[in-house]
Amino acid sequence: GQQLNQSPQSMFIQEGEDVSMNCTSSSIFNTWLWYKQDPGEGPVLLIALYKAGELTSNGRLTAQFGITRKDSFLNISASIPSDVGIYFCAGLLIQGAQKLVFGQGTRLTINP
Amino acid sequence: DARVTQTPRHKVTEMGQEVTMRCQPILGHNTVFWYRQTMMQGLELLAYFRNRAPLDDSGMPKDRFSAEMPDATLATLKIQPSEPRDSAVYFCASGLQGGTEAFFGQGTRLTVV
Repeated sequence: GQQLNQSPQSMFIQEGEDVSMNCTSSSIFNTWLWYKQDPGEGPVLLIALYKAGELTSNGRLTAQFGITRKDSFLNISASIPSDVGIYFCAGLLIQGAQKLVFGQGTRLTINP
Repeated sequence: DARVTQTPRHKVTEMGQEVTMRCQPILGHNTVFWYRQTMMQGLELLAYFRNRAPLDDSGMPKDRFSAEMPDATLATLKIQPSEPRDSAVYFCASGLQGGTEAFFGQGTRLTVV
């Protein structure tokens, strides 16, 4: 089946540092989504990308939809303690029904 | 504040018992998803519905799992009989047909002992 390879699996950084994570796939996606999950909660949508090459920002978050449609990255600038959590990429396939495929997640830990 | 509501939030049950999890999608959303999250497998799609009809349940073990939408405001996921390997967090999410975004509930943490 389709798989998204998300990296890194975990990150330990100092408050104030920038963060970068990415997802790659062997399949082509027509939409990329980035979610964040806090402990005990469901994933919450951060950014949605709909077009190859698209670069979208949401506050300190920036995400890009790769030109090949097979990858996406998420950057967080000037990290703060509330950025702690698990970040998931998700892709929507071009063909088939409205099924999101999720990456394995990047667990972000921030040292104050 | 529109949100997906799941009940119960936590469930501990003995192996062999029936478990029913409920979900109220966001009003107006006609697509409902059930996901299971474990440390080993991450987020797995179990099933999803559009306009109350099942579109894909290929991710769901058919022998013990069943998913239904009795009406547009209620989706259920049932496990009978439950097994320890079913222990996980089960998420319901809803969205709009033609849309790409899925909005998640807070999940039901199931522990089968």
